[in-house]
Amino acid sequence: QSVLTQPPSASGTPGQRVTISCSGSSANIGSNDVCWYQQLPGTAPKLLIHRNNQRPSGVPDRFSGSKSGTSASLAISGLRSEDEADYYCAAWDDSLSVLFGGGTKVTVL
Amino acid sequence: QVQLVESGGGVVQPGRSLRLSCAASRLTFRNYGMHWVRQAPGKGLEWVAVISYDGSDKYYADSVKGRFTISKDNSKNTLYLQMNSLRPEDTAVYYCTTAGGWNAHFEYWGQGTLVTVSS
Repeated sequence: QSVLTQPPSASGTPGQRVTISCSGSSANIGSNDVCWYQQLPGTAPKLLIHRNNQRPSGVPDRFSGSKSGTSASLAISGLRSEDEADYYCAAWDDSLSVLFGGGTKVTVL
Repeated sequence: QVQLVESGGGVVQPGRSLRLSCAASRLTFRNYGMHWVRQAPGKGLEWVAVISYDGSDKYYADSVKGRFTISKDNSKNTLYLQMNSLRPEDTAVYYCTTAGGWNAHFEYWGQGTLVTVSS
C-alpha cells in the first residue's frame, strides 16, 4: 500500500491563491472519490472536501477541489493566516484500503 | 454534536498488547462503519483499519495485518482496536473516525489517544 503523492510544502501571501496537487493511480484516485483534510497544529484532522469537489456545511467557499484522471487538486483562494495548516488528500484504493497523501504544509507569508 | 472519545493509550513495551476504545455519542452508532487512523509524531496520517456498520467486514493496512483487530459493540456504542505484538513503529496518536461508506470520507473524528511503544 503506497501513499498518494503531494508536494511537502506550499506558500503564499494573504489574498493569493494556492493550489495543492495529489497524484495517485487508476486503483485509487482514478476509480474512487477524493477527500481533502485540514489539520491545524495539535488538533484532529477536519474534513474539507468530499466527493472530489463537495464542501461540507461550514467550510468556506475559498476552498475548492477538483479531479481529473488519476490526479486531484485543492485550491485555496483569498489565502488567510488561519489557513496555515497541513493538508492531506485521501482516497479509497481497490485493494480494500484507504490511502493518504504525505501531506502538504501551507505557510502564509 | 457527534462525539467520539478515544481511550486506552499509554506506554507499552515492544511485543506487548494494548486495547483502544472509542466511545461514540449523539449518532446512531449501529448505522456507521468506523475507521482507525494513526499519526506518528511529526509525521502524516496513516490509515489503519475499517469495519462495516454491522461488523461483518473488516479491512486492515498491510503494516498491521495479523497483529491488530478492529471490532465494534453496537450495544455499547463503542469501537475497539486490539493491538498485539506492538512495535516501536506503532508509536502514534490513534484517531477513530466515522465511515461514509467504502471511501475515504471521514466526517467525524475523535481527539486521539497516544500510544508509545518503548522499552
